[in-house]
Formats: sequence, structure tokens, C-alpha cells
Amino acid sequence: GAVVSQHPSWVICKSGTSVKIECRSLDFQATTMFWYRQFPKQSLMLMATSNEGSKATYEQGVEKDKFLINHASLTLSTLTVTSAHPEDSSFYICSARVGPHATNEQFFGPGTRLTVL
Amino acid sequence: GQQVMQIPQYQHVQEGEDFTTYCNSSTTLSNIQWYKQRPGGHPVFLIQLVKSGEVKKQKRLTFQFGEAKKNSSLHITATQTTDVGTYFCAGALYNFNKFYFGSGTKLNVKP
Repeated sequence: GAVVSQHPSWVICKSGTSVKIECRSLDFQATTMFWYRQFPKQSLMLMATSNEGSKATYEQGVEKDKFLINHASLTLSTLTVTSAHPEDSSFYICSARVGPHATNEQFFGPGTRLTVL
Repeated sequence: GQQVMQIPQYQHVQEGEDFTTYCNSSTTLSNIQWYKQRPGGHPVFLIQLVKSGEVKKQKRLTFQFGEAKKNSSLHITATQTTDVGTYFCAGALYNFNKFYFGSGTKLNVKP
């Protein structure tokens, strides 16, 4: 199957700093990438949909100025958590989809565990 | 709010017993996908169901999509310890090209 990588796999930062997480599709071009966050023992919560070359679409309740998403190419999307606070500590997972339709399979990255001190 | 509901939250079974998790949506879904997430891992795609009443099998796993396309189930026959993990359904609403995940069912299998 297709491979999606995330970097870094884990990061610890101080409160008030910004953290950038990269999501790459390694062997395919992804027209759409999704960003999720997952709290311990909970489900994946969709944060935003990222389409290459256009602005990301954020889910209700997700601050777009807090979670900056850039999808500069068909193989790379980045999520920047700005002015991180302890409540932003979570597991962030991206997924990449080959086509524009919901019936197209999406492939998940391994996730990035963010801990804000 | 939560678009897709999933029950039960937890299930503990003895190895060899069967297991079923159910997924329900208040609105009609265009399609539904099922994922398995091992502890510490990321979700891994299992299957996608698109048609009303569709049934698909993967070895000991049987997936069903309801006639009204509002519910789905995953049934595992004769569980094994390798089945341990959390199973998520993810439903896509019509006109929305994205998935909303259910709350997941954590399966623990005792040897």
C-alpha cells in the first residue's frame, strides 16, 4: 500500500512556542490531506481538510489561526501549532488521499505525539 | 457534534469467542470505512463499503452496511490475540468528501 510519513514522530516543546509537523506521501501524489488529533483512548477528531494549492477547510471549533495548515505540493502538507499550550498536547495524525472523492482510500501517517510543557 | 456513533466502547472476550462492533449514523452515509488501530500505532485501513446492504468478508472478519446506509457492523469470528486493538468505523456524508470517525471499540482478547 501507499506510504505516508510524518515528521517528527514526537516532540516536546515549551508553552508559547510553535511546532511544525510535516506529512508526506512518499510514493503517490495526494490531492487531499487530512489532519486529525487523537486524545488518549479517544477517537480521531478531524481538524481540517487540506487541498493542494488552496486554503485548508477547518472543522467547526478548530481555530485556523492556531493550527496553520499549508499544502504546498501534492506530496507535502504541514501543520503548525502556534503558541502551543499544554492543552494542545495530543497525538496528531495526517492522512493522504489519492483522489477527490470520499470513496478514494486514505492512507494514514504514523502520527506525531506533541507534548507541551 | 458527533456524526457517527459506535458501540460498545470496550469488549473483552476469551480467545475463540466472537466479537461484533456496531456503527450508527443519524444521517445517510455515502460510504463507510473500517480501520484497526493497534496500541501505539496509527489507523490501518481494513475495508470500504459503498452499496446498500453490502456484505464483505476478509477471512474471519465480516463487514455489513445497512440497507438504509445508516449503520454498519464488523463481526470477527473466533477471535485471536492478534485481533487486539481498537476498531474504528469512519463514515462519509453525501456531498462531504471527508470521513468522520466513530468513537471506536477497544477489543481485548484473553488467551
